[in-house]
Amino acid sequence: AQSVTQPDIHITVSEGASLELRCNYSYGATPYLFWYVQSPGQGLQLLLKYFSGDTLVQGIKGFEAEFKRSQSSFNLRKPSVHWSDAAEYFCAVGARQAGTALIFGKGTTLSVSS
Amino acid sequence: DTEVTQTPKHLVMGMTNKKSLKCEQHMGHRAMYWYKQKAKKPPELMFVYSYEKLSINESVPSRFSPECPNSSLLNLHLHALQPEDSALYLCASSQDVGREKLFFGSGTQLSVL
Repeated sequence: AQSVTQPDIHITVSEGASLELRCNYSYGATPYLFWYVQSPGQGLQLLLKYFSGDTLVQGIKGFEAEFKRSQSSFNLRKPSVHWSDAAEYFCAVGARQAGTALIFGKGTTLSVSS
Repeated sequence: DTEVTQTPKHLVMGMTNKKSLKCEQHMGHRAMYWYKQKAKKPPELMFVYSYEKLSINESVPSRFSPECPNSSLLNLHLHALQPEDSALYLCASSQDVGREKLFFGSGTQLSVL
């Protein structure tokens, strides 16, 4: 069965420190991979996506993620966290064939300390 | 226009009320979705409307009924809701189902008293 695991429920990072949020997936083939961010009471905003090609993808707000097929992972990174990055982060996978909706991980809450 | 617009932003209703949530997009997307999201939880897919075909999550109770008047609009009709239905209801759209990124609206925060 297809699934997405975000092992960390809550992470606290100091402002200016680096960040890595983990995402592991279970899928029959190479899926489409996404990271979304959600501020309280708001909808989800796409940070970045991986479809094919270069396994290191750049996104908005200084985020990047690396697809590692051997580890079935798609971890999100940022070299220097800003207080405004505090939010909920969701990893999601989508099928390459049309007709299957995205599967979301349970999310990781990021807190930023000053 | 890359927005998905949801109205209202907040809704408080009693268990005997009938209300509707509205969602609109003008990006020419062929798939539209309703998600339910509880606090600190991921969005749960309720309905997908794509190519004039409705797909339903079997676990969604019949007190929720979607309606797609045209390719730009997706409504969610609410009737006889329960307090546990209180949540953030998110509408989203995409060019196609599964392969494309989702564009989310800002949601309707629903409270059922």
